[in-house]
Amino acid sequence: GIQVEQSPPDLILQEGANSTLRCNFSDSVNNLQWFHQNPWGQLINLFYIPSGTKQNGRLSATTVATERYSLLYISSSQTTDSGVYFCAVTWGQGGKLIFGQGTELSVKP
Amino acid sequence: GAVVSQHPSRVICKSGTSVKIECRSLDFQATTMFWYRQFPKQSLMLMATSNEGSKATYEQGVEKDKFLINHASLTLSTLTVTSAHPEDSSFYICSASRMTVNTEAFFGQGTRLTVV
Repeated sequence: GIQVEQSPPDLILQEGANSTLRCNFSDSVNNLQWFHQNPWGQLINLFYIPSGTKQNGRLSATTVATERYSLLYISSSQTTDSGVYFCAVTWGQGGKLIFGQGTELSVKP
Repeated sequence: GAVVSQHPSRVICKSGTSVKIECRSLDFQATTMFWYRQFPKQSLMLMATSNEGSKATYEQGVEKDKFLINHASLTLSTLTVTSAHPEDSSFYICSASRMTVNTEAFFGQGTRLTVV
């Protein structure tokens, strides 16, 4: 099956700093999404981005499908950005999302 | 975005009892929904694919007799954890897509199950 790897596994930032999270995948994908899991477990949709670049406020994402990776950029980080960021892909038929192991981000005031 | 609602958000049950978790798509019809499980400090692992009007498809290693899935309508899938044991304590979460399965997926709020 497909492998989804995220890096780094943990990241500690000072408020106001910028960061880049990476997601590598081992095969062609139909769909790629980035999520933020809040402390209550809720998965917040950040980007649906099988290819190209998108921006939403301080967050942006780029997926280079031909090179099998996606990047999530967080600028001017805030303490509320803390939590776990997941990359997930659908691959083949069936539409099931396969998740990476996540990046746990901690933003200090 | 699409709204997926899951209920209950938290449940505590005694060992040996069964617990039913509901997943509803509120503003769209979903022929396919997915159920995931997440242990503390781990990622989400797919348990099964719920298909409206037909049997669910379970991932390898998931006991279909323990985790009963029913997708009786285009807006509702249920997961029943039967004869629950403490090792079934986990975070269960469902997802659905508005259109085809390879379009953007939306997740319910999740259910934190504790078996005592």
